[in-house]
Order: sequence, then C-alpha cells, then structure tokens
Amino acid sequence: DAKTTQPPSMDCAEGRAANLPCNHSTISGNEYVYWYRQIHSQGPQYIIHGLKNNETNEMASLIITEDRKSSTLILPHATLRDTAVYYCIVYTDKLIFGTGTRLQVFP
Amino acid sequence: DSGVTQTPKHLITATGQRVTLRCSPRSGDLSVYWYQQSLDQGLQFLIQYYNGEERAKGNILERFSAQQFPDLHSELNLSSLELGDSALYFCASSEWTVPSTEAFFGQGTRLTVV
Repeated sequence: DAKTTQPPSMDCAEGRAANLPCNHSTISGNEYVYWYRQIHSQGPQYIIHGLKNNETNEMASLIITEDRKSSTLILPHATLRDTAVYYCIVYTDKLIFGTGTRLQVFP
Repeated sequence: DSGVTQTPKHLITATGQRVTLRCSPRSGDLSVYWYQQSLDQGLQFLIQYYNGEERAKGNILERFSAQQFPDLHSELNLSSLELGDSALYFCASSEWTVPSTEAFFGQGTRLTVV
C-alpha cells in the first residue's frame, strides 16, 4: 500500500483557509487519493477524493500535483466545527487510515 | 446521519467472554468494512465484505470473525475477549467497492472489557 505522510498537527484561524498537505510519493497510476476527517470519537466522515485532476465539492477542494506525489486539502473558510483529525488515504484494495493531521481551528 | 446503523452503541463485558457487534449498511450498499480504534489510536482496518463475500482482510485477530448476511447486514464476532480489545469498533458501507464510491461510517460501538 502506498504510504502517506502528513504533519501531525496544524492550527488555523477561524474564517481563514486551512491547507492540509499530504505526501504520497509512492502512489501508483491507478490509485486514488481520499480524504476523511474524524471529529472527536465520531465515525469518520468522507470529504473528497481524486485521481489526477483537482476536485471541489461543497466541503473542500483537493489539489493534486501533476506528478501525483503530493496533494493538498483546502477548507476555504475554516470554522470551529472543522476542528478534527484529517486523514489522507491512498486507496489500493483497502481503505487504510494513517495517523492523520490534527487540525485545530481557533477563534 | 450517515445511514449506517451500529448496535449496540455501548457494550461492557468481562474478559474471556464473546460479543457480537451488528452493522446495518445504508440502503443499497453492497460493501461493509470493519475498523477498530483503541483509545487515542488510529483506525485499524479489520475486514471488508462485498455482497456477502470477504473482499479484503487487515490485521484481524484469529479470535475475531465477521460475516455479511444475504440481507447485507454484517456482524463482527469477538471472542475470548482481553482487556486490550477495549476500543471503538466502526462499521462503514459503500455502494460498490472503493475507489468507485465513498464509504460512509456508522457512529461506532464502544466496547469495554473489564
């Protein structure tokens, strides 16, 4: 399984954009990048996924570099409710969660 | 509400006992996934079923087993329980198999072994 590397923690001011990086330098051509988040001990919540092109939905944007070795999840206007652990996952045949980035949004 | 239902929400049992956790997937979803999350630990993938058949396996202990029934609900059986099995157990479901669609998670079953 392709390994992902994320910073363990990040801070973001409320109302500002939160940019969460993920490195996946060993990704293969047919492997998707998924982002999930987990708020406290709730069930993880799907955010977005992509293969090659940048993607946007009502929650976030996903920017994947041209060589696909890294990606960035962007929360355009972070709120206090976005405080959570964010997981970047490279899907092969299993949805494997790493250690994620703990995002703290402060007032 | 993700549409995935897990029961019970909380379970307290003694070491050496056996328990069964139940998962009802979203209507129409054929895939079911099970995860274990110990206190302050990451999500450990246990097993995945697709339309009744085992699809992928993670680091699931031999004392643990799972199955998906014809009505697509799934059960995770944990036996000879140890203190270290205390954890949140999450079930997720998806319409097909990832990566063609996203997986939706239930709210989990909190298992406490005493």
